[in-house]
Amino acid sequence: NAGVTQTPKFRILKIGQSMTLQCTQDMNHNYMYWYRQDPGMGLKLIYYSVGAGITDKGEVPNGYNVSRSTTEDFPLRLELAAPSQTSVYFCASWRGTSGANTQYFGPGTRLTVL
Amino acid sequence: KNEVEQSPQNLTAQEGEFITINCSYSVGISALHWLQQHPGGGIVSLFMLSSGKKKHGRLIATINIQEKHSSLHITASHPRDSAVYICAVKNSGGSNYKLTFGKGTLLTVNP
Repeated sequence: NAGVTQTPKFRILKIGQSMTLQCTQDMNHNYMYWYRQDPGMGLKLIYYSVGAGITDKGEVPNGYNVSRSTTEDFPLRLELAAPSQTSVYFCASWRGTSGANTQYFGPGTRLTVL
Repeated sequence: KNEVEQSPQNLTAQEGEFITINCSYSVGISALHWLQQHPGGGIVSLFMLSSGKKKHGRLIATINIQEKHSSLHITASHPRDSAVYICAVKNSGGSNYKLTFGKGTLLTVNP
């Protein structure tokens, strides 16, 4: 299994541009998450999904959108990039059953908005 | 106030030293996770705890539910242990499929 994959690894955007961060998992996990990690801060939840067709806001959803048309894919969309969205973005997945121990994280996308 | 507090924020040790990283939380939890993040790298899960103690190699994690406290210990530390260690909790109420994260402890082990 490849686990959780994210593309791109790095991206520089200009203010006002838009982009989609891709996330795919091949473990048939129900739950998927998008986090952002800012220097000196803990991971903050942007959006999450409990299954295909179901998404919900996390702590910091403003400026982002998501969709979950399949179990495998959970893309994160930035419509009008702002410097405050400069961060490292992590996608994660979890099987969602009581015996499932952990969330699996992707390698991250480092985004800079200038 | 963050629901999950870690201490210390930064820790520098010499190779071979015994390391302890602490995590305190203020909410009722169903589980606590310890994660490891290498510089420029991804995040991997080390342990999930709901009670007691777990050991994996040179890593030991303990939790005291009554005191709302967990510790991560590293015995015979090595430079390759240098990383950020993150504590995260799964709340027992509400949405128990979401994690709340501490800010992390940056560990540097010098040879």
